[in-house]
Amino acid sequence: AQKITQTQPGMFVQEKEAVTLDCTYDTSDPSYGLFWYKQPSSGEMIFLIYQGSYDQQNATEGRYSLNFQKARKSANLVISASQLGDSAMYFCAMREGRAGAQKLVFGQGTRLTINP
Amino acid sequence: NAGVTQTPKFQVLKTGQSMTLQCAQDMNHEYMSWYRQDPGMGLRLIHYSVGAGITDQGEVPNGYNVSRSTTEDFPLRLLSAAPSQTSVYFCASSSAPTSREQYFGPGTRLTVT
Repeated sequence: AQKITQTQPGMFVQEKEAVTLDCTYDTSDPSYGLFWYKQPSSGEMIFLIYQGSYDQQNATEGRYSLNFQKARKSANLVISASQLGDSAMYFCAMREGRAGAQKLVFGQGTRLTINP
Repeated sequence: NAGVTQTPKFQVLKTGQSMTLQCAQDMNHEYMSWYRQDPGMGLRLIHYSVGAGITDQGEVPNGYNVSRSTTEDFPLRLLSAAPSQTSVYFCASSSAPTSREQYFGPGTRLTVT
């Protein structure tokens, strides 16, 4: 079974609109962490946001926020006021357990295109 | 502070050749990993290390060897390259098991013909 599922292969959004990228995960470990990375066409992996399973509040980093619904095992990324520079691949990833930072499991990604 | 560096950036190999992808970090991180990214896919873990002298296999270890003799360096060796190993390879490091972030290198694009 896939541990990380991103069901949207591609998303097209108008500039300045908000966009939600979906991510569902599967784990039986009560301690885990969820990450979102951006990969522009240049290829590097850019860390966006992190949510720990015990964090009481949803994570926010500037225009990025994570809609964490633990019971539904979902960790959707919300980008507010999208910009042309947000066009990229976006990956959701999970660390399982307390010793797993070096063992991330990635989803297949969502290609986001921002239209002017 | 260079972060995580990888060399080379690009490499073309013939089937059967061997080579070593280099990875180094200057942040004194104990935890390092190698991932591969095939076209249109997410990253998959090849090998990882939790400190000098300690390595273990990830999801897709076959055809690769690693060793970790220093904290700074974590080279990935392809023993006998195959076209199926054509991919982009990323090295990553983190400071702790529950670190909020992994620092990724810029990647090495490998083509095996």
